[in-house]
Amino acid sequence: KAGVTQTPRYLIKTRGQQVTLSCSPISGHRSVSWYQQTPGQGLQFLFEYFSETQRNKGNFPGRFSGRQFSNSRSEMNVSTLELGDSALYLCASSRSGDSSGANVLTFGAGSRLTVL
Amino acid sequence: DQQVKQNSPSLSVQEGRISILNCDYTNSMFDYFLWYKKYPAEGPTFLISISSIKDKNEDGRFTVFLNKSAKHLSLHIVPSQPGDSAVYFCAASGDDMRFGAGTRLTVKP
Repeated sequence: KAGVTQTPRYLIKTRGQQVTLSCSPISGHRSVSWYQQTPGQGLQFLFEYFSETQRNKGNFPGRFSGRQFSNSRSEMNVSTLELGDSALYLCASSRSGDSSGANVLTFGAGSRLTVL
Repeated sequence: DQQVKQNSPSLSVQEGRISILNCDYTNSMFDYFLWYKKYPAEGPTFLISISSIKDKNEDGRFTVFLNKSAKHLSLHIVPSQPGDSAVYFCAASGDDMRFGAGTRLTVKP
């Protein structure tokens, strides 16, 4: 079965611009989470969506936003880009995130954003 | 807020020996702990998990130990193989999933 697909894989933007990243989860997975990976900081949690609703949010400024569509596909948007936003953005999906067991996330390969 | 910490950014071991990766957490409400492995240009992949009510889980060469009183978990890989060279992330699951900064493991032939 197809894995988590993220597009685009690589992109370059300049300061002040905005960017939209896309994520298609595994079929049947209703939860989509987004993470930012930077060297030395590991994976920083951005937000999680479930059934088109933001269920949890990390400690990122309001410039970072997301949404989920009825088919569970998700997008995240970063406005007014800063140099420090350069990072690998990872999307992960899971079935439901309920407490019936370990909520194993399946990650996409990521979108690498470079801000100049 | 660093709820999950991996204090060793890197670890180097010889092939065939044991690799021990460590992780500490601060939130007692986490109900599962997981380890992920990440190769360059790929997303992290799930390796092994442990429930907060257990103290050990084993899967082949990989064993995870949980010490709740110390809020500490570790991943043991034995014997280590060159293909195990990757970045390993510790994760804790509660309302959402929080990750540590990762430990880069290098297994030398």
